[in-house]
Amino acid sequence: DIQMTQSPSSLSASVGDRVTITCRASQNINSYLNWYQQKPGKAPKLLIYALSSLQSGVPSRFSGSGSGTDFTLTITNLQPEDFATYYCQQSYMYTFGQGTRLEIK
Amino acid sequence: QVQLQESGPGLVKPSGTLSLTCAVSGVSISSANWWSWVRQPPGKGLEWIGEIYHSGSTKYNPSLKSRATMSVDKSRNRFSLTLTSVTAADTAVYYCATVSGGGYYYYMDVWGKGTTVTVSS
Repeated sequence: DIQMTQSPSSLSASVGDRVTITCRASQNINSYLNWYQQKPGKAPKLLIYALSSLQSGVPSRFSGSGSGTDFTLTITNLQPEDFATYYCQQSYMYTFGQGTRLEIK
Repeated sequence: QVQLQESGPGLVKPSGTLSLTCAVSGVSISSANWWSWVRQPPGKGLEWIGEIYHSGSTKYNPSLKSRATMSVDKSRNRFSLTLTSVTAADTAVYYCATVSGGGYYYYMDVWGKGTTVTVSS
């Protein structure tokens, strides 16, 4: 089974900051990597698919990069609505990372 | 606009069977999508349960050890999940979602709001 490990587990930042969340796969998954955002009590929302393709309606301050086993979600110019939990997901068998909680500093 | 709505009992007894349905609107379930279930235990992360194509082809998370079964009802444009021999560990919010894409570039782009299932006597 492919395991997905995110770091950090939680992160504090301020509005306007640039933040980076890392996701590591236990084996090569090429660019079969998605990112989701989840707010409390809500369903996950697709942000980025296929490594770096922005889902329709998602602001351009979100971006994804990486390849093979190491991946990054970057959020520039953090906005108040960005404080949430973020999950990476590999699309071979849809394993999710454990999540990264982004909190307001 | 595609919309999904989960429904089913909110309480299931230990060793019993959990049955959920996801009603699909805005698109035919026979479209070129897979249909998936994901769950989230209280305070924890997301776990993929399985997916089904309109033809009836299925894929399941091996960790569920054959307890999960999915089916499609084309006449009602919905799909279902059955999970047998449930324990407290199956207590979670259960989401249904559409799976789009192709060639391993698959992603869950539309989600239902989720339904909470508690396993308790």
